[in-house]
Amino acid sequence: QSVLTQPPSVSGAPGQRVSISCIGSTSNIGAGYDVHWYQQLPGTAPKLLIYSNNNRPSGVPDRFSGSKSGTSASLAITGLQAEDEADYYCQSHDSSLSGYVFGTGTKVTVL
Amino acid sequence: QVQLQQWGAGLLKPSETLSLTCAVYGGSFSGDHWIWIRQPPGKGLEWIGEINPSGGTKYNPSLKSRVSISVDTSKNQFSLRLNSVTAADTAVYYCAKMGGMLEYFQYWGQGTLVTVSS
Repeated sequence: QSVLTQPPSVSGAPGQRVSISCIGSTSNIGAGYDVHWYQQLPGTAPKLLIYSNNNRPSGVPDRFSGSKSGTSASLAITGLQAEDEADYYCQSHDSSLSGYVFGTGTKVTVL
Repeated sequence: QVQLQQWGAGLLKPSETLSLTCAVYGGSFSGDHWIWIRQPPGKGLEWIGEINPSGGTKYNPSLKSRVSISVDTSKNQFSLRLNSVTAADTAVYYCAKMGGMLEYFQYWGQGTLVTVSS
């Protein structure tokens, strides 16, 4: 039961910038909980891409960046590359659930 | 480098019990939070539950009556049991390690497809 809403799909040409929104509520993002982002390549497990709103784990290119404001967050990919074609999920904590929630997921297509 | 390797039965009949185990290699074990997550075919991710360093558990309310997570610190393993499965429980199940107290999922297992069918 996803309580974080993402657009189903976004697309862009190689080299372009795309952005993915993650809209929550006052029981999760708006309550001050951090937002994290995962990349899932076809047929593989999700991989941590951004943690605590805007931090990249070691090895993640600086083309990926995150931000958070109010009850929403966003992931930006600049200089889009073919290997960025994947599903992307946001994640946060929800006080109503007393647990963790994921976004609905966004498929990024490189044209 | 932390690696998680998981296994368990991949085909169940309705009403049976799902049982999966995740072994952790590298890094600490007893001081970390361990997570189970699932993903129905073609759908999004769902948090199932977690076990903390003290052995305390938290579960998704939608599954709480049927799920249990346990840990075997002597083997650096943790396990998931889900009772009375139905077709709606068909999914890829992932084990994961939480990134300290920062509530993100830092390392993931390879995933196990569990299919429930009569």
